[in-house]
Amino acid sequence: GAGVSQSPSNKVTEKGKDVELRCDPISGHTALYWYRQSLGQGLEFLIYFQGNSAPDKSGLPSDRFSAERTGGSVSTLTIQRTQQEDSAVYLCASSLAARGNEQFFGPGTRLTVL
Amino acid sequence: QKEVEQNSGPLSVPEGAIASLNCTYSDRVSQSFFWYRQYSGKSPELIMSIYSNGDKEDGRFTAQLNKASQYVSLLIRDSQPSDSATYLCAVNPGNTGKLIFGQGTTLQVKP
Repeated sequence: GAGVSQSPSNKVTEKGKDVELRCDPISGHTALYWYRQSLGQGLEFLIYFQGNSAPDKSGLPSDRFSAERTGGSVSTLTIQRTQQEDSAVYLCASSLAARGNEQFFGPGTRLTVL
Repeated sequence: QKEVEQNSGPLSVPEGAIASLNCTYSDRVSQSFFWYRQYSGKSPELIMSIYSNGDKEDGRFTAQLNKASQYVSLLIRDSQPSDSATYLCAVNPGNTGKLIFGQGTTLQVKP
């Protein structure tokens, strides 16, 4: 079946602009996760959803970052007033349920902030 | 101390040899452990999960878990050049949804 999909695959933006990244999880997966990967920081957790609620937002780096999930499916990660340090690959994953379940990653969105 | 530690490598092995990748973690209540493979420019791909002490085998891959020593390893038998990638160890700490990743070990399999 179809895996996790993300769009866009690449995004180049100017400092100070807002961006929206989209994730479509595997059908039937109730849990959805956002991570980001950068050269200096490795792969770091941002936020996860169980259904439409977000029990853990502890990884969001600042209040410029927000995410929502509607209908228990598609999620959007929004970064406001982007900064150069936001440049990274943003990865989405999904699992059947949270707490110990295997997570499957999408192809990622490469964000470059000029 | 980092929550999940791996030797960054590179680990170089000849084709056909056994590659041994190691990972230690700091949170004693961790329950779930995963190995991901990541090719350059690609996203992580799940290759093994392990939840109980002991060994778990899947084809050429064997994951080993020792909760008392807080240690997880991945053995790759009959290594192939196509196994050359970065291997990420991930731990699900406590009873949460998130994964904590190590920095990854780069494996090079030489023909």
